[in-house]
Amino acid sequence: AQSVAQPEDQVNVAEGNPLTVKCTYSVSGNPYLFWYVQYPNRGLQFLLKYITGDNLVKGSYGFEAEFNKSQTSFHLKKPSALVSDSALYFCAVRDPESNMLTFGGGTRLMVKP
Amino acid sequence: DGGITQSPKYLFRKEGQNVTLSCEQNLNHDAMYWYRQDPGQGLRLIYYSQIVNDFQKGDIAEGYSVSREKKESFPLTVTSAQKNPTAFYLCASKVRGADEAFFGQGTRLTVV
Repeated sequence: AQSVAQPEDQVNVAEGNPLTVKCTYSVSGNPYLFWYVQYPNRGLQFLLKYITGDNLVKGSYGFEAEFNKSQTSFHLKKPSALVSDSALYFCAVRDPESNMLTFGGGTRLMVKP
Repeated sequence: DGGITQSPKYLFRKEGQNVTLSCEQNLNHDAMYWYRQDPGQGLRLIYYSQIVNDFQKGDIAEGYSVSREKKESFPLTVTSAQKNPTAFYLCASKVRGADEAFFGQGTRLTVV
């Protein structure tokens, strides 16, 4: 069975500093990996994905993520955090055959001025 | 929001009553998903469907039922067998051949 782990419930960052939100995964085959963001009482918005190719993928709002196969990780990063980045972030993995989409527990990012 | 509509946004029901949450999409997406979100527990998959008239259980299907009679609709029924139904419910859909799923705005169900 596939699974995703986000080891940090919350990440606190000062505005202008770099941020990292961690994600590790477990799948039987090649991973299809995603990051989503959720604002209060809203659905999830897609940020970026890794399917194949370069290990560093770029997404919306200046976010990027680094795929590391040996460490089975897919950490979300941004060089300079904004207060408006404060939200709940979810990592997800999809099985390309069954289309089952599994999410991690979420990490709350708090960016302080 | 990608053309996925969940209704209503807020729903209140008495304990012991079944309730059906609506999810409609006009994106011609093949796959549809239902998730439950509780504070501090992230999203947990209830059911998903890859095509019309077919669906699979997710991690927490007990106490829930779904149907997929039409491509654009994937209603979720929360039955009286669900022990703790109060939660935020999210529906998503994905087109065949694409990678990312699109989410609705969610329905907050409160059972009193």
